[in-house]
Amino acid sequence: DAEITQSPRHKITETGRQVTLACHQTWNHNNMFWYRQDLGHGLRLIHYSYGVQDTNKGEVSDGYSVSRSNTEDLPLTLESAASSQTSVYFCASSDTKEGTGELFFGEGSRLTVL
Amino acid sequence: DQQVKQNSPSLSVQEGRISILNCDYTNSMFDYFLWYKKYPAEGPTFLISISSIKDKNEDGRFTVFLNKSAKHLSLHIVPSQPGDSAVYFCAASANSNYQLIWGAGTKLIIKP
Repeated sequence: DAEITQSPRHKITETGRQVTLACHQTWNHNNMFWYRQDLGHGLRLIHYSYGVQDTNKGEVSDGYSVSRSNTEDLPLTLESAASSQTSVYFCASSDTKEGTGELFFGEGSRLTVL
Repeated sequence: DQQVKQNSPSLSVQEGRISILNCDYTNSMFDYFLWYKKYPAEGPTFLISISSIKDKNEDGRFTVFLNKSAKHLSLHIVPSQPGDSAVYFCAASANSNYQLIWGAGTKLIIKP
């Protein structure tokens, strides 16, 4: 069965460290997204990609970067982790544009920045 | 400024009764709405959607109603079952901008 997996599921790091969260999907979807979920905010879009070598900033992109070298993977990098980036991060993929179709989500990565 | 609001953080309903989850939006350009369901330690899963050209969409026990004049949509679950206990997110998008705007979620608790 096709799936979307995130790793690590849990990560504790220190302020200033670089952190990379991995996302791998076997749906063969062109579109991939990274969200963060915080209490009282729902999901907020960080970055998204509509295909290989395509990346775009979302609503809360400051302090984050992504790269898309193949269809399956969209790693999210925090260049210098800050306590404000403590959150649960979700990766998603879709075969349609985000707003008009079903998103398939990973199980999430809980990041704590001390 | 929250464009999509779910004003009830939680809702408790007796098993077998109707659950009604509400969502309000402020952007009149929104023309597509989705509901997602999320269990603890899992990612959200798509539940049901509705386009602004319709005022109702039904899928089994789940029905979404859209009132464009009031900028309000609701999700009805009939009858409610224990497995429906989850957090429900409302999301909206405008055709000119494909990005989804999400509500903060409502935690639904189904009591036996």
